[in-house]
Amino acid sequence: GQSLEQPSEVTAVEGAIVQINCTYQTSGFYGLSWYQQHDGGAPTFLSYNALDGLEETGRFSSFLSRSDSYGYLLLQELQMKDSASYFCAVRDTPAAGNKLTFGGGTRVLVKP
Amino acid sequence: DSGVTQTPKHLITATGQRVTLRCSPRSGDLSVYWYQQSLDQGLQFLIQYYNGEERAKGNILERFSAQQFPDLHSELNLSSLELGDSALYFCASSGGQGSYNEQFFGPGTRLTVL
Repeated sequence: GQSLEQPSEVTAVEGAIVQINCTYQTSGFYGLSWYQQHDGGAPTFLSYNALDGLEETGRFSSFLSRSDSYGYLLLQELQMKDSASYFCAVRDTPAAGNKLTFGGGTRVLVKP
Repeated sequence: DSGVTQTPKHLITATGQRVTLRCSPRSGDLSVYWYQQSLDQGLQFLIQYYNGEERAKGNILERFSAQQFPDLHSELNLSSLELGDSALYFCASSGGQGSYNEQFFGPGTRLTVL
């Protein structure tokens, strides 16, 4: 089976930097994804790491270390609109349908 | 707008009843995934279909079933409903142009079982 651990909540001020860590134990691993979900909304894709290293997309970056079964999402120059829940998710292999197993989510609260 | 549509948006029903949730994937996507999101269980994968065939199964209850039709839309059937089935049900799609790096989620169906 799969299990993912991430902090339940993080609070930071506008303009700050937040790092959300994710550790995973999996029986099948093809990559690590990150999704953002605002209250009442649908999850939306932020980033995907298949290989070790850092992927940068604007103010958001994601890192993966496959040997450590660890990844993180870095949110820079925090804005009020970044207040949301952030989920790491392990993507299973194509043979297993590429399905996602999600962590419990990290609620990020941005204060002025 | 992800391009994935789900109906209905809200559903209120009673215990013991049966409901059908509908999903239309993004144009070009062959894979459809169903997820359940409840407060105590988080986002849980239920089942996946690829081009009409069941491809992967998660912790889906025997009371739940799904199918994908030739036009690629999918339906999730929930029967003998219990209070604990109250949750948000999301459909997602991927596979357009052969890419599975991103899943596109629909707006969800909020099911309330009274």
